[in-house]
Amino acid sequence: DAGITQSPRHKVTETGTPVTLRCHQTENHRYMYWYRQDPGHGLRLIHYSYGVKDTDKGEVSDGYSVSRSKTEDFLLTLESATSSQTSVYFCANRQESRYYFGPGTRLLVL
Amino acid sequence: GENVEQHPSTLSVQEGDSAVIKCTYSDSASNYFPWYKQELGKRPQLIIDIRSNVGEKKDQRIAVTLNKTAKHFSLHITETQPEDSAVYFCAATLGSDEKLTFGTGTRLTIIP
Repeated sequence: DAGITQSPRHKVTETGTPVTLRCHQTENHRYMYWYRQDPGHGLRLIHYSYGVKDTDKGEVSDGYSVSRSKTEDFLLTLESATSSQTSVYFCANRQESRYYFGPGTRLLVL
Repeated sequence: GENVEQHPSTLSVQEGDSAVIKCTYSDSASNYFPWYKQELGKRPQLIIDIRSNVGEKKDQRIAVTLNKTAKHFSLHITETQPEDSAVYFCAATLGSDEKLTFGTGTRLTIIP
């Protein structure tokens, strides 16, 4: 599982509140990614990081921001949660070309 | 950017028969094509992958084929077993950052 953990694993929040999800890797892989998974859409890239303080947008980045202050941690923030952001969020790292995913965070925005 | 289409969205197969899932991609520069298996409530797990300089790769009961000219690749599972029931995703990477674009998934059900 490439030593990836995510926290929290489940969260219920209200519309308009900020939410931060954490991804932690035990290995020193340069690339880390945040995806969301929704029925009928597969997994879609939100943001990714190619090093400490180096991040870029994916295809569904609106309403999300990320930060990477340490190699091992990649944070995803929903600035003001909306019901459309109810989803399962997966973090991943990349070893050469291979992606390895964390266990996921199930987020419900009421 | 890359676009990956996957078919079928659902597939039911008798135990012991073969299953085939097909994907097409849009960008001819894509060079890496993994397949993931996701069981209910679990994370996607890499099961097999292939690079653009290889036409076919096999690992026990699973195999992947790639046709670069047609821009499509397929997953083949032989002698299917109940534990093969899951959702399968194809994907393709593009660019120096190797961003991974996924298909929409195939729910495979093995009928005992």
